[in-house]
Amino acid sequence: KAGVTQTPRYLIKTRGQQVTLSCSPISGHRSVSWYQQTPGQGLQFLFEYFSETQRNKGNFPGRFSGRQFSNSRSEMNVSTLELGDSALYLCASSPQGQPQHFGDGTRLSIL
Amino acid sequence: KNQVEQSPQSLIILEGKNCTLQCNYTVSPFSNLRWYKQDTGRGPVSLTIMTFSENTKSNGRYTATLDADTKQSSLHITASQLSDSASYICALMYSGGGADGLTFGKGTHLIIQP
Repeated sequence: KAGVTQTPRYLIKTRGQQVTLSCSPISGHRSVSWYQQTPGQGLQFLFEYFSETQRNKGNFPGRFSGRQFSNSRSEMNVSTLELGDSALYLCASSPQGQPQHFGDGTRLSIL
Repeated sequence: KNQVEQSPQSLIILEGKNCTLQCNYTVSPFSNLRWYKQDTGRGPVSLTIMTFSENTKSNGRYTATLDADTKQSSLHITASQLSDSASYICALMYSGGGADGLTFGKGTHLIIQP
């Protein structure tokens, strides 16, 4: 059974640009959650999607948004990128709620 | 604010030795406490998940313990191997929480030297 797949693995952007990250959950998993990981803050919850609906949202500015498609694949978008957005972005999937399996993340670097 | 504190921040031990990593939390009750292993450049992988009522949970050479009275959890690694070099992250899932209820510590960076 394939694991959680995140693309791309690495991304370099400049300040002010926007970026879209993709997450394909494990087959049959309907919940996808996103996390930002930095050395200083550790893992912080961004948002969770279940059956195409945002179910929970963390304490991040509106520049961070996401969506989920009918096949459970999810995307997150960050607009007007700032240097502080440099991080590893992880998604996790589960059948219904509590995250179970993490992908290997997208490493985003802002220049 | 719910907090999860881990210690030490980093640790270096020789291959074959045992080690213990600590996790202190401030708020209870919780649904479950998890320990993750995160290799460099990879996502976290679950090692153990303990409910509030469990005292210990093992996964091969990894043994997690929980003391609800002192609000502490430990991860003990026996007979360390080079492949154990990684970050170890403690996380609490608060009661009734979904994905937003999972609070993570900042991890312990473990290096195993030959």
